[in-house]
Amino acid sequence: EVQLVQSGGGLVQPGGSLRLSCAASGFSFRNYAMHWVRQAPEKGLEYVSSISSSGDATFYADSVKGRFTISRDNSKNTLFLQMSSLRPEDTALYYCVRPEGSSWLDCFDIWGQGTTVTVSS
Amino acid sequence: QSLLTQPPSASATPGQGVTISCSGSNSNIGSNYVHWYQQLPGAPPNLYIYRNNQRPSGVSDRFSGSKSGTSASLAISGLRSEDEADYYCAAWDDSLSAWVFGGGTRLTVL
Repeated sequence: EVQLVQSGGGLVQPGGSLRLSCAASGFSFRNYAMHWVRQAPEKGLEYVSSISSSGDATFYADSVKGRFTISRDNSKNTLFLQMSSLRPEDTALYYCVRPEGSSWLDCFDIWGQGTTVTVSS
Repeated sequence: QSLLTQPPSASATPGQGVTISCSGSNSNIGSNYVHWYQQLPGAPPNLYIYRNNQRPSGVSDRFSGSKSGTSASLAISGLRSEDEADYYCAAWDDSLSAWVFGGGTRLTVL
């Protein structure tokens, strides 16, 4: 069974940092690009970031560029999102997502359970 | 403000049909596939239509997608109460080198 198990969310003060993790199982992780998508409370879906299967290509939404860093460890089947200079508007449920195919251009297919990030003093 | 424009709400009675629109630009819908997601309350989104008009296995054939130019649509026929959900369109944007989502449409089955 394909699974994405997320961890690392929590409460952080504005300006602080947090690292999200997403442990993948049930598929060949190293062959798939991966994404992060977030959803603020009572709001719509917002794209955050993507990374190629090898990790050599990364993409970011303008709203997080320069503050967030996506990375992966293919030896541990794990995706990461390092978030710094956090702002209250980063408060959201963050989803780890696997695409339907191997490319970051393929549609979002398998979604993790989500992990909550709250930025507040 | 979302780069893909959807109506915030739609409604219809059971058995009727409804169409949800998604309007974009040349750099996203005009150049790339459109995908549609259903999100039930408290759950992650589910892929309902991919590559403009393809249905994943398990999705009812009451759901169909289409695309023309810089706009796309999701059509649902024979509405059922379980279709009540939020629906989102998404596409890759070549100018941004990023994915963009529509703001979402809340479908109410009256």
